[in-house]
Amino acid sequence: EIVLTQSPGTLSLSPGESATLSCRASQSVRDNYLAWYQRKPGQAPRILITGASNRAAGIPDRLSGSGSGTDFTLTISRLGPEDSAVYYCLQYGSSPLTFGGGTKVEIK
Amino acid sequence: QVQLQESGPGLVKPSETLSLTCTVSGGSISNYYWTWIRQPPGKRLEWIGNIYYSGSTNYNPSLKSRVTISVDTSKNQFSLKLDSVLAADTAVYYCARGAGWVPDYWGQGTLVAVAS
Repeated sequence: EIVLTQSPGTLSLSPGESATLSCRASQSVRDNYLAWYQRKPGQAPRILITGASNRAAGIPDRLSGSGSGTDFTLTISRLGPEDSAVYYCLQYGSSPLTFGGGTKVEIK
Repeated sequence: QVQLQESGPGLVKPSETLSLTCTVSGGSISNYYWTWIRQPPGKRLEWIGNIYYSGSTNYNPSLKSRVTISVDTSKNQFSLKLDSVLAADTAVYYCARGAGWVPDYWGQGTLVAVAS
């Protein structure tokens, strides 16, 4: 199975700054089938990005996904308090689907 | 907007069967994949498996021998059964809709503890 490694584990940034989250796969993700999710305490995870770079419905354009093969990135620009959450990547190109360990984004 | 809600016992005894149901509202169960995912305390999210509305299933090999996912289109529900549970099966269990294989809408999750 594909192992996804997310870094950093925690990111602490000030409002208005940008966050760069990394997701690296142990082998190439088929067709770049890589998704990103945001999870806040007590809430259902929210899908942000599919296919490595396609924003889900209602996701603002200050969130963007990029990358291919084994290296993927989620960038969040102009951070606000609403971005405080844990972010996960998921590869769905091969079974079993696998998740990264998560990156916690804290807003100072 | 599609909403999913997990339901079932919050405590299961070791060696017994964990049973959860996910009720889908605000949309039809047809033409989608329906997925179960879990997260044990302190560990990463784990995909358990999915079922297409027609009934075909896919399971994580690590759990395949103990898992059954089923769907009831008449009730707009799908279910998870995990046999012979151990303490290691203690987790928050999520149900989710799959647009293709990628889960898009998720439930809030339900904590199931395995203990005597």
